[in-house]
Amino acid sequence: DAMVIQNPRYQVTQFGKPVTLSCSQTLNHNVMYWYQQKSSQAPKLLFHYYDKDFNNEADTPDNFQSRRPNTSFCFLDIRSPGLGDAAMYLCATSAVAGETQYFGPGTRLLVL
Amino acid sequence: SQQGEEDPQALSIQEGENATMNCSYKTSINNLQWYRQNSGRGLVHLILIRSNEREKHSGRLRVTLDTSKKSSSLLITASRAADTASYFCATESNFGNEKLTFGTGTRLTIIP
Repeated sequence: DAMVIQNPRYQVTQFGKPVTLSCSQTLNHNVMYWYQQKSSQAPKLLFHYYDKDFNNEADTPDNFQSRRPNTSFCFLDIRSPGLGDAAMYLCATSAVAGETQYFGPGTRLLVL
Repeated sequence: SQQGEEDPQALSIQEGENATMNCSYKTSINNLQWYRQNSGRGLVHLILIRSNEREKHSGRLRVTLDTSKKSSSLLITASRAADTASYFCATESNFGNEKLTFGTGTRLTIIP
């Protein structure tokens, strides 16, 4: 089945230790999104790719970077995680920007 | 902020009853979407309604859109325990920015 896969499902890191979260998709969608979601809050868009074009949200901290080496894969790098970065990180794809999004199961990040 | 507001924040009903959730937003839109999120999981797309549509049905779901009031409602009929989840509305503005803005969400609990 076509899907969006996120690894790992749970990630524990230490304060200041770089961490990478991964997302892959078999839907062959052009658009990929990374969201941060904290407890009982709405998903907050960090950035998105339209094919190889990278779009950063104005309020996304510089601590967050992303890579999309090909259509199928997208990575979220947190260079120096702080306690406030503990959250669920959601990856999503879309065939057409602004239309239906297909979400992965998320990676829950814990920062010690 | 462009973020939508959902009302109520939390709703508990008996199984078999109907559940209604409301969403208000601030800008002109191309479409409005509803998503469901089970605890600790990714979001699942439920239904998309375009700005020129007023009502849409999918199974037990009925969505209405009133662009003059910048509001939408989601009705779930004959609720089931499995409907227990958080429900988010999301809008694509007509500014052409290719992304969705999520509302604050409604936490729905179905009591068996």
